[in-house]
Amino acid sequence: GAVVSQHPSWVICKSGTSVKIECRSLDFQATTMFWYRQFPKQSLMLMATSNEGSKATYEQGVEKDKFLINHASLTLSTLTVTSAHPEDSSFYICSAPLIRGAGNTIYFGEGSWLTVV
Amino acid sequence: AQSVSQHNHHVILSEAASLELGCNYSYGGTVNLFWYVQYPGQHLQLLLKYFSGDPLVKGIKGFEAEFIKSKFSFNLRKPSVQWSDTAEYFCAASSLNAGNNRKLIWGLGTSLAVNP
Repeated sequence: GAVVSQHPSWVICKSGTSVKIECRSLDFQATTMFWYRQFPKQSLMLMATSNEGSKATYEQGVEKDKFLINHASLTLSTLTVTSAHPEDSSFYICSAPLIRGAGNTIYFGEGSWLTVV
Repeated sequence: AQSVSQHNHHVILSEAASLELGCNYSYGGTVNLFWYVQYPGQHLQLLLKYFSGDPLVKGIKGFEAEFIKSKFSFNLRKPSVQWSDTAEYFCAASSLNAGNNRKLIWGLGTSLAVNP
């Protein structure tokens, strides 16, 4: 069945460096993907909507220059955390809707845990 | 293995009918539980969450869920649904244990269609 895959599942990086997280739709094309962030003991927070071939739409309060999103193909969206700091340590998860007829099924990546040291 | 299962993949109801969506989790240790909703064309929204305390949790838009530890369940309920409740509903669990258990585990979702 349709699967959304994220890579890496775990990443540790040094403060000041950049890290890239990939989100792939494996069996279907996704013109839209969503990137979420989850802080400990809190719910998911939508960061941005990734649109294939155009700029991402960021939610209020999310720094677009810090969280770079690229959706260069119909099966891949990337989130790059630039100049990472310890407060960026969080759980990041993407989702992609598979649209079939009048309905759609939402598939989620497994999530990526980022630790900035 | 850690898992979250939702009992119904598709549910069709008439307006004013009562709703109960099942969710069971398989997790060791302390667990946080969530219900999310995704309306057509929109992103995920949190309906409600359980961390601790009163096992009956009330969320937005008249939804509630009850955490029953002995049954490893966190079913979502609403006494009277409306057409605007048509959406995808996702149950998710997150363990508070350190290491690999911090990953969110999602159910596959339940598609609810409410007929006017």
